[in-house]
Formats: sequence, structure tokens, C-alpha cells
Amino acid sequence: SAVISQKPSRDICQRGTSLTIQCQVDSQVTMMFWYRQQPGQSLTLIATANQGSEATYESGFVIDKFPISRPNLTFSTLTVSNMSPEDSSIYLCSVEESGTGVETQYFGPGTRLLVL
Amino acid sequence: GQQLNQSPQSMFIQEGEDVSMNCTSSSIFNTWLWYKQDPGEGPVLLIALYKAGELTSNGRLTAQFGITRKDSFLNISASIPSDVGIYFCAGLAWAGSYQLTFGKGTKLSVIP
Repeated sequence: SAVISQKPSRDICQRGTSLTIQCQVDSQVTMMFWYRQQPGQSLTLIATANQGSEATYESGFVIDKFPISRPNLTFSTLTVSNMSPEDSSIYLCSVEESGTGVETQYFGPGTRLLVL
Repeated sequence: GQQLNQSPQSMFIQEGEDVSMNCTSSSIFNTWLWYKQDPGEGPVLLIALYKAGELTSNGRLTAQFGITRKDSFLNISASIPSDVGIYFCAGLAWAGSYQLTFGKGTKLSVIP
């Protein structure tokens, strides 16, 4: 399976500022995703990071708040803009691995964000 | 949107006991995935199920993909303290791209 790393692993930020989270994969992957996990909750898909085109956002998430870059097949960034305490969450990137008739998603270790 | 109902929400068991948790949905999924998440970590894939009726084992873990493609269970046999964590089921279905929908998780506590 792909090895996924994220930077930073955690951060404490002031409200009104922005944080960019990096996701690096050790192999080329077509599909990369960004999820949010609020405290004590399950995972919610923010967007699909498309290589060479704009990300596809899920309902309730917008590009101005969560701009995403995907410059190549091994790297993506998620920016959390103009942060408020409600943005305190774990942010996770994942990649899809596909074979003949099988698809699986693997997750990075996550970035724990606390907004004061 | 698609929803997964995962139960139980939490469990307290004695070390050595067997554990069972399940997920149901009103929607059909192509793939069922079971993940475990330890505190401060990302979810780690435990078992992937691709065919209706498929029964798959990974060590002390056994999972089955329901014949209707709308449910799955995960069993853990002879639990040990390191089994503690949150277990998530997730269903993968095609919606333009493959969309992963998560259950709300089962928090497992093992009493030594």
C-alpha cells in the first residue's frame, strides 16, 4: 500500500489566520482526497483533489475556505483559511488504490489543528 | 446522501472475549472497508471486502460482506489490550468517482 505523510502533524493557530497542510505520497496515485474529522466524530469528505484541475468539493465545503492544490500525482495541499475555533479538527488526506475490480483507500496520519 | 448505521457505538469487554460490530445501509456498496483508528493517528485499513457474501480474515479479525451488499460485520476474537481504539466501517460506491462513506464508529475498550 502507498505510504502517506502529512505536514504538519499538529498545530495551534490563532483565529483569522490560515494554515496549509501538505500531503505527500510515495507513489503516483490518481485519486487523492481530503477529509475532516471533528472531535469525537467520524470522517467527512471535504473534497477530491484532482491533478491538473480544480478540486471537487462536497456539499458544505467551498474553495474559498478550503483551497486545494494538486500539482502532481504524489502531492497535494489543503489550506484552511480564515480559521475559527470551529475549524479545530483532524484533517486527513487519503489516496485511492485501484486494481482489477478492487478499490481501496489509505489514509495519512492526519494533522491535528487547534484554533484559539 | 448515503448513510451507514454502525453499532454498537461503544463496547467495554474483558480481555479474551470476542467482539462483534456491524454496519447497515439502505444503499448498495461496491466495497466495504473496515478501519481502526488509534488516538492521534489516521485510520488504518484492517480488511477490505469486494464481493457480496465474501468472508475474509486477517489474524484474529473476520469480516463479511452481506449478500445484499447493504451490510457488513467485523468480529474480533480473543481480544487483547491493544485492540482498544475506534473501529470504522466504510462503504465505497461509484458517484462519478468512488465515494467513501463512513459509519460513526465503534469505540472499543478492553479491560485487562
